[in-house]
Amino acid sequence: EPEVTQTPSHQVTQMGQEVILRCVPISNHLYFYWYRQILGQKVEFLVSFYNNEISEKSEIFDDQFSVERPDGSNFTLKIRSTKLEDSAMYFCASSEETGSYGYTFGSGTRLTVV
Amino acid sequence: AQSVTQPDIHITVSEGASLELRCNYSYGATPYLFWYVQSPGQGLQLLLKYFSGDTLVQGIKGFEAEFKRSQSSFNLRKPSVHWSDAAEYFCAVGGYNAGNMLTFGGGTRLMVKP
Repeated sequence: EPEVTQTPSHQVTQMGQEVILRCVPISNHLYFYWYRQILGQKVEFLVSFYNNEISEKSEIFDDQFSVERPDGSNFTLKIRSTKLEDSAMYFCASSEETGSYGYTFGSGTRLTVV
Repeated sequence: AQSVTQPDIHITVSEGASLELRCNYSYGATPYLFWYVQSPGQGLQLLLKYFSGDTLVQGIKGFEAEFKRSQSSFNLRKPSVHWSDAAEYFCAVGGYNAGNMLTFGGGTRLMVKP
């Protein structure tokens, strides 16, 4: 079964450093997403991406965050200057078509900011 | 705005007993509804989803859920719980909208007594 692949599975970074979280969506999917889950809390939507641009973003997704599809396979989330409160599990997801049908999540990257 | 409420933060059941996890949603159009399971430190695994048609949907691991439009509910059930079902369960709602975001409930942590 096709999978969404995220790397690394765990990343530790110092406060103020830039991090890039990487995702390889399912190959024929057109819509890409990032979500995050702070420890013990609910999963929260960050951003959706379609046709090489952001289609929707939440209040969490401020100027410190950016997304990019640098080539035909990768989808990245960059945090420019990490804060302690950015520590969370970050999930990438993709879907084949519009609407929530066929959403597939990756296994997540646990980001720890120290 | 769309929202999901999972009224029970923790539930404990005995192995072999039946289970029902509650989910209530608010959504302005036809909802797409999902149940995900998350084991500690792991990603989100899709249990089942509902888009249309038969309001009783079957999922993996013996789970089922029933969509009740009049009650805005999508409760998850299992007739006989196994110790391996201990995990956190998230209900989510999405739809055919720009950005295709999913909104998650706060989760229900299931513990299974031997």
